[in-house]
Amino acid sequence: DARVTQTPRHKVTEMGQEVTMRCQPILGHNTVFWYRQTMMQGLELLAYFRNRAPLDDSGMPKDRFSAEMPDATLATLKIQPSEPRDSAVYFCASGLVAVDGSYNEQFFGPGTRLTVL
Amino acid sequence: GESVGLHLPTLSVQEGDNSIINCAYSNSASDYFIWYKQESGKGPQFIIDIRSNMDKRQGQRVTVLLNKTVKHLSLQIAATQPGDSAVYFCAEGSWGKLQFGAGTQVVVTP
Repeated sequence: DARVTQTPRHKVTEMGQEVTMRCQPILGHNTVFWYRQTMMQGLELLAYFRNRAPLDDSGMPKDRFSAEMPDATLATLKIQPSEPRDSAVYFCASGLVAVDGSYNEQFFGPGTRLTVL
Repeated sequence: GESVGLHLPTLSVQEGDNSIINCAYSNSASDYFIWYKQESGKGPQFIIDIRSNMDKRQGQRVTVLLNKTVKHLSLQIAATQPGDSAVYFCAEGSWGKLQFGAGTQVVVTP
């Protein structure tokens, strides 16, 4: 049963600390997304990758957030330094997009609930 | 203190009745549209999708209708069950990238 996995599921940290969230996309998927969900803003796209290359990170605060795909089985989202306003649930999703733009659905992971004190 | 946040529209449905959830989308160039269901503490889960060249698609107990003229999408759930209680999101997309709506909270009452 293929699924997107995310670690950690919960993270509590203090303001100023570095936070790294990890995602393992579904094997064979070529597109990986990072979303943030808060009560205030709903579900926001932060960044996404296709074939490990970053395509769009315009939704991400550049000064403190960074997203990478070291290899096809791992995507990371890092916040340094973290701030209380970063408290949210961060979701990773993966999907398969063909060269003509046709797609398969995005599968979401269970999320990482981040609390920054 | 008062909690400030998104006030999701709420649809209260009696068990066994049909539900209709509506969504207005913004981009007339979107290629496809998807409905997701999110239960508390979980990630969004795919329900059904529709391409922009279609106006109706049916799944198991669900039907999605697309009206491109007025940029409106709806999700119909037949014979709503307690397990259908969740937040439902519509999303519009192209080239694999999705933009999500604010969501509708569906509450199924016995």
